[in-house]
Amino acid sequence: KAGVTQTPRYLIKTRGQQVTLSCSPISGHRSVSWYQQTPGQGLQFLFEYFSETQRNKGNFPGRFSGRQFSNSRSEMNVSTLELGDSALYLCASRAMADETQYFGPGTRLLVL
Amino acid sequence: AQRVTQPEKLLSVFKGAPVELKCNYSYSGSPELFWYVQYSRQRLQLLLRHISRESIKGFTADLNKGETSFHLKKPFAQEEDSAMYYCALSGREYGNKLVFGAGTILRVKS
Repeated sequence: KAGVTQTPRYLIKTRGQQVTLSCSPISGHRSVSWYQQTPGQGLQFLFEYFSETQRNKGNFPGRFSGRQFSNSRSEMNVSTLELGDSALYLCASRAMADETQYFGPGTRLLVL
Repeated sequence: AQRVTQPEKLLSVFKGAPVELKCNYSYSGSPELFWYVQYSRQRLQLLLRHISRESIKGFTADLNKGETSFHLKKPFAQEEDSAMYYCALSGREYGNKLVFGAGTILRVKS
């Protein structure tokens, strides 16, 4: 099976702009989670989607949002970008019968 | 509250030496514990999980509920084991999200 894919792999934006990141889960996986990875805060959970519904949300401001489509693909949006949003954004998918999450390569976002 | 603590930022050992990466956790309920590894320029990947009780690449980890620990061990380190290792937990009580430790860089010297 193909692994989790994320696009784009790299992004450069300026403060105040918005950005949309995309994630395609492993075929058959209906749960998609997003994580932010930074040197200072490490890996932090953003949110999880299952069957197009947000099931869980981390402690991030409302500027961070997401959605999931009927084919389980997910997008994450960050509005009004701040310098501190510079990070590696990881997507992970899992089968509902399994706690194991499988990660994509990430999208590296740089906010200038 | 859920928390995962990895006390060592960096662990440096010689090839062939034993390795122990420490992980302690706090959790109200029945957590699942994982070790993830990130090799240079590769994606984060599962190394092992406590319920499977299997050995992957020579690594093992035992869940000690009394000490709330899930240390990762390998009797003889190899150079290819050099990577960043993350301990993580999840649980149904908190919606199955993964909570990660800060990670430990393992450096195996020849």
